[in-house]
Amino acid sequence: EVQLLESGGGLVQPGGSLRLSCAASGFTFSSYAMSWVRQAPGKGLEWVSAFSGSGGYTYYADSVKGRFTISRDNSKNTLYLQMNSLRAADTAVYYCAKEVAVASSSNFDYWGQGTLVTVSS
Amino acid sequence: QLALTQSPSASASLGASVKLTCTLSSGHTSYVIAWHQQQPEKGPRYLMKLNSDGSHSKGDGIPDRFSGSSSGAERYLTISSLQSEDEADYYCQTWGTGIHVFGGGTKLTVL
Repeated sequence: EVQLLESGGGLVQPGGSLRLSCAASGFTFSSYAMSWVRQAPGKGLEWVSAFSGSGGYTYYADSVKGRFTISRDNSKNTLYLQMNSLRAADTAVYYCAKEVAVASSSNFDYWGQGTLVTVSS
Repeated sequence: QLALTQSPSASASLGASVKLTCTLSSGHTSYVIAWHQQQPEKGPRYLMKLNSDGSHSKGDGIPDRFSGSSSGAERYLTISSLQSEDEADYYCQTWGTGIHVFGGGTKLTVL
């Protein structure tokens, strides 16, 4: 059974940093691209960043480029999102999502339950 | 620019059928999409991948009541025999290399 478990969310001040983790199980983690998707309170889904399953390719939405860094440790089956220079607009539930292919060019087929990030003074 | 458009809301009666629409932006009308369901206070759940010819493949455990179809730039999700647990937000998703796009979502109310 595929499971994605996010952690690391919390309350942080504007300008601060936070690192999210997503622990994956139930599939060969290194064989699939992974993404972070966020949802601001009362809003829709917004793709944030993706990491390919091989080749080390990373991609970012314009709204987070230069501030967020995605990484993965295939030996630990874990995806990360380092978030720096946080803004109030980054307040959201952050979901980890698995793609159906190794390259980041496919649909998501599994989602985590999310971790809440609140940016406020 | 790659974009998806969804109506903000829809409603239908218990036991009836409903058809939700997702429209691809001009120049991208042949794109494949996926449908995801998000029940209140839960993470999204993958429903199906839908091709431009209407063929589709569903996720694990998705009931036969959920089906997809396509016409031009339109991608449809049809839910038949509506149940109370179908009341949820429904999002369509498409992608290019290293980019993912979601529609704004449709909130489905089961009356």
